[in-house]
Amino acid sequence: EVQLVESGGGLVQPGGSLRLSCSVSEFTFSTYWMTWVRQAPGKGLEWVAKINEDGSEKYYVDSVKGRFTISRDNAGNSMSLQMNSLRAEDAAVYYCVRGRRNYRHWGQGTLVTVSS
Amino acid sequence: QSALTQPPSASGSPGQSVTISCTGTSSDIGSYKYVSWYQQHPGKVPKLMIYEVHERPSGVPDRFSGSKSGNTASLTVSGLQAEDEADYYCASYGGTYNVFGTGTKVTVL
Repeated sequence: EVQLVESGGGLVQPGGSLRLSCSVSEFTFSTYWMTWVRQAPGKGLEWVAKINEDGSEKYYVDSVKGRFTISRDNAGNSMSLQMNSLRAEDAAVYYCVRGRRNYRHWGQGTLVTVSS
Repeated sequence: QSALTQPPSASGSPGQSVTISCTGTSSDIGSYKYVSWYQQHPGKVPKLMIYEVHERPSGVPDRFSGSKSGNTASLTVSGLQAEDEADYYCASYGGTYNVFGTGTKVTVL
């Protein structure tokens, strides 16, 4: 069974940084695009970023461009999201998701809280 | 990269049908066949219900169907059941971006 497990969430002050990780198993990680999706408390889903199979293509939602960086380690079966200059509006559950065009497999999510 | 537009709510009695619209632009829904729909129950992870406009993953009941015309996609749930009460989100591929809809809360009366 495909597994995706996020980690790294927590409380951070505005302007601070956080690095999220996603560890995967039970599928050939290096052959899939991967995506981060977030959901603010009580709000809808928002696509954040995606990365291609070898990490050479990365795309972001406009609101995080220049602040967030998506990356992957195919040898370690993991993906990361480096989040800098965090704002209150970045507070959300962040989901690690497998796929490029649609999302069949999701992690359980990790909560990021941005508050002073 | 604006969110796709969905009605905030929809409802129907058990056994009835409900259709949710999802309006995008010529850059996303209008350009690609990669429209998907997700069901999310409170406190749960989203579940893929429809992909590539009208395809159903294994295990999803055939009461769920999807379609697209121009820049608008639709999800129809036929024969509504109590367990269908949830939030539903559409999503579209847009090449260098992806985008979700604003979400629709479906209530089974």
